[in-house]
Amino acid sequence: AQSVTQPDIHITVSEGASLELRCNYSYGATPYLFWYVQSPGQGLQLLLKYFSGDTLVQGIKGFEAEFKRSQSSFNLRKPSVHWSDAAEYFCAVGAEEYGNKLVFGAGTILRVKS
Amino acid sequence: NAGVTQTPKFQVLKTGQSMTLQCAQDMNHEYMSWYRQDPGMGLRLIHYSVGAGITDQGEVPNGYNVSRSTTEDFPLRLLSAAPSQTSVYFCASSFNTGGADTQYFGPGTRLTVL
Repeated sequence: AQSVTQPDIHITVSEGASLELRCNYSYGATPYLFWYVQSPGQGLQLLLKYFSGDTLVQGIKGFEAEFKRSQSSFNLRKPSVHWSDAAEYFCAVGAEEYGNKLVFGAGTILRVKS
Repeated sequence: NAGVTQTPKFQVLKTGQSMTLQCAQDMNHEYMSWYRQDPGMGLRLIHYSVGAGITDQGEVPNGYNVSRSTTEDFPLRLLSAAPSQTSVYFCASSFNTGGADTQYFGPGTRLTVL
């Protein structure tokens, strides 16, 4: 069965520091990869997605992610974190062989300290 | 566009009661889905629909029913509420199937079952 792993439940970074959130998945074929962000009490918003092509994708709010097929990873990065980035981040994966249903990781809660 | 709307925002039920969570979208999306969000478990798919008149089960369908009589609406019914159904419920829609397209999420319904 497909699975998505986000190894870090909580991450705390200082404002202005760089950020990397990890995501690993288990699939046989090239999946569709997403990162969503959820602010407290809100629904989820798409940050970025990868379907094919350039393995480094740019998203909103200055985020980027890199697809590494050899490592089955799709890590999210930001060079300089702002206090408003504090939220919960979800990696999600879809694949045609699983009916194109989206599977989410458990999420990583980001705290930003000033 | 209102996007994806959900009602109610909060609900408290007693064990054994039934209720319907409402979801509507005005983007003419064919694909709609319901997720539940529990701490440390990310979002799990309950039911989904690929178009009016067509529904299917997701990962955690037990205790829930859905129907899709129109493109716009996708209500979720709890038949006999149980404490294990205490959760935050999100409705989502997309133009294409859920794993291969951007999902647009509603603001969520926070349900407590006593």
